[in-house]
Amino acid sequence: QSALTQPASVSGSPGQSITISCTGTSSDVGAYNYVSWYQQHPGKAPKLMIYDVTNRPSGVSDRFSGSKSGNTGSLTVSGLQAEDEADYYCSSYTSSRTLVFGTGTKVTVL
Amino acid sequence: QVQLVQSGAEVKKPGASVKVSCKASGYTFTTYGINWVRQAPGQGLEWMGWINPYNGNTNYAQNFQGRVTVTTDTSTSTSHMELRSLRSDDTAVYYCAKFGGDNSLDYWGQGTLVTVSS
Repeated sequence: QSALTQPASVSGSPGQSITISCTGTSSDVGAYNYVSWYQQHPGKAPKLMIYDVTNRPSGVSDRFSGSKSGNTGSLTVSGLQAEDEADYYCSSYTSSRTLVFGTGTKVTVL
Repeated sequence: QVQLVQSGAEVKKPGASVKVSCKASGYTFTTYGINWVRQAPGQGLEWMGWINPYNGNTNYAQNFQGRVTVTTDTSTSTSHMELRSLRSDDTAVYYCAKFGGDNSLDYWGQGTLVTVSS
């Protein structure tokens, strides 16, 4: 199972919006509405930000939103803030009943 | 509140085995699966496998088949991950994480650093 493909880095100024893509195949991202997104600050455990493509867990800012089209999921962060600077990973359930993570994206707030 | 507390850092020699534990609290342990994920220094997240604590069923990533075993002890609400035949590239932080009501990982342990060095 190959890792899902994400851009290595994305940057934006405070207040702007950024979008991170997550490209898989018809056996994972394209097959199920089980795309999740995680935020990870240096030295910390990942934190769930989006599940089932579009849903936010309780306590996650509504500045974070998710979507999917075909084999590509996306995470949008609107009103970018300094605290959003972190690594972001997508994941998907697969037809082999496994999970697969994306390659990770470093978000920089300029 | 839900908590996953992992065992402490380990240093192992190549060829040895390591067993990391993950003690869960704050929810009914048998209701949700436990996953194991690792992260090598400066690298991304890599899913290793998961276990259903209710019936002990497991599923492992192909990369770890035959080298990893995940178990649970329902009497102590603890999951264990054993990785055998360690190599230097197994040096990583190993996380346990709980499935939510779907296929997302809603709570994570603090991570356990495993260093493989001669």
